[in-house]
Amino acid sequence: LAKTTQPISMDSYEGQEVNITCSHNNIATNDYITWYQQFPSQGPRFIIQGYKTKVTNEVASLFIPADRKSSTLSLPRVSLSDTAVYYCLVAVYNNNDMRFGAGTRLTVKP
Amino acid sequence: DAGVIQSPRHEVTEMGQEVTLRCKPISGHDYLFWYRQTMMRGLELLIYFNNNVPIDDSGMPEDRFSAKMPNASFSTLKIQPSEPRDSAVYFCASSSLAGVQEQYFGPGTRLTVT
Repeated sequence: LAKTTQPISMDSYEGQEVNITCSHNNIATNDYITWYQQFPSQGPRFIIQGYKTKVTNEVASLFIPADRKSSTLSLPRVSLSDTAVYYCLVAVYNNNDMRFGAGTRLTVKP
Repeated sequence: DAGVIQSPRHEVTEMGQEVTLRCKPISGHDYLFWYRQTMMRGLELLIYFNNNVPIDDSGMPEDRFSAKMPNASFSTLKIQPSEPRDSAVYFCASSSLAGVQEQYFGPGTRLTVT
């Protein structure tokens, strides 16, 4: 399983765009990149998943460069309710074995 | 669908007692996962099942922990005997098919062993 590295914590203010970068230098050809969000006292919730280039949904965008050794989760115009821990995971296609790291604790301030 | 259902939501027990946590996955999901979360160790995968069969239990801490999935709609995680260091939030999650699929997590069971 590819190891991931992401910042322990980040602070932002309401209305700003937040970018959280994750490093996964030993990502394999069959690996996909997945991001989860966890609010206090709740289980993690899937945000977005991608393999290369850019993926966008109603919640976030995921940018993956050509070498795929890193990825960036972009949250547009965050609000206080986006305060959570964000996990970057690398998972092999056809294998549901995913390992959560420490995640990035995002705090959005008014 | 009601989502992944876990019971109980909170459990307080004394050291040495048996603890059983329960999970009902989303109907139609082929995979079921048990995780444990603590401040010190973060979110750890304990075991996961595919079509009711345990696939990887390498994350199970020790022989005091056991998990079963007697049918597609029910799974249990049992700790016997329980110890204070087992105190944590235990999450159950389920997903459908193979491939890199979205996992749906339950609300968790907060276990406190005194």
